[in-house]
Amino acid sequence: EVVLTQSPGTLSLSPGERGTLSCRASQRVSTHYLAWYQQKPGQAPRLLIYAASSRATGIPDRFSGSGSGTDFTLTINGLEPNDFAVYYCQHYGPSPQAFGRGTKVEVK
Amino acid sequence: EVQLLESGGGLVQPGGSLRLSCAASGFPFRSYAMGWVRQAPDKGLEWVSTIRGLEGSADYADSVKGRFTIYRDSSNLYLQMNSLMAEDTAVYYCAKHYGANSDWYFDRWGRGTLVTVSS
Repeated sequence: EVVLTQSPGTLSLSPGERGTLSCRASQRVSTHYLAWYQQKPGQAPRLLIYAASSRATGIPDRFSGSGSGTDFTLTINGLEPNDFAVYYCQHYGPSPQAFGRGTKVEVK
Repeated sequence: EVQLLESGGGLVQPGGSLRLSCAASGFPFRSYAMGWVRQAPDKGLEWVSTIRGLEGSADYADSVKGRFTIYRDSSNLYLQMNSLMAEDTAVYYCAKHYGANSDWYFDRWGRGTLVTVSS
């Protein structure tokens, strides 16, 4: 069973800055099976990135994913006011699926 | 347009049962795997269960195995929840996998339905 550890728990940034969010897996995982989601208060999660680095439909290119093996990163370039939210990574490989505990990106 | 609309949440006593429904439209429902993901108050996301498209086999998180059953008909996804415990209190989201098997990401989500287990 894969366990995902996200860090930091909270990231305090100003609009326009770059955010770097980390997701570490407890064992090596295929890049095919790593996704990132954004969730705002009172809303459902929204898919941002799949297969570690592919942007979902309609996601702006300031969001990028990278990584392999056990270490994956979501980078947000030029934070916009709408980007302050909680971000989750997910391993969607062979069951059971797993989510990280999330990183909250808040306004500094 | 893909739409997923959950219903059936509410207040239930510990040990009780509840059935959640998710009405799906805008895509060939039977061809896709579907799942339930829950979120306890002020907590993160927890995968609960997935049912595969076409062949219909299912997987469950250890925390609900033996108590919850996922199933589907031609346009609805269900989650039968028995022996409910306080720890099952959460918003339950219905979500569509990208493909027919369970090893795909969730590309569409419903708005969720709140289940509260309390005496």
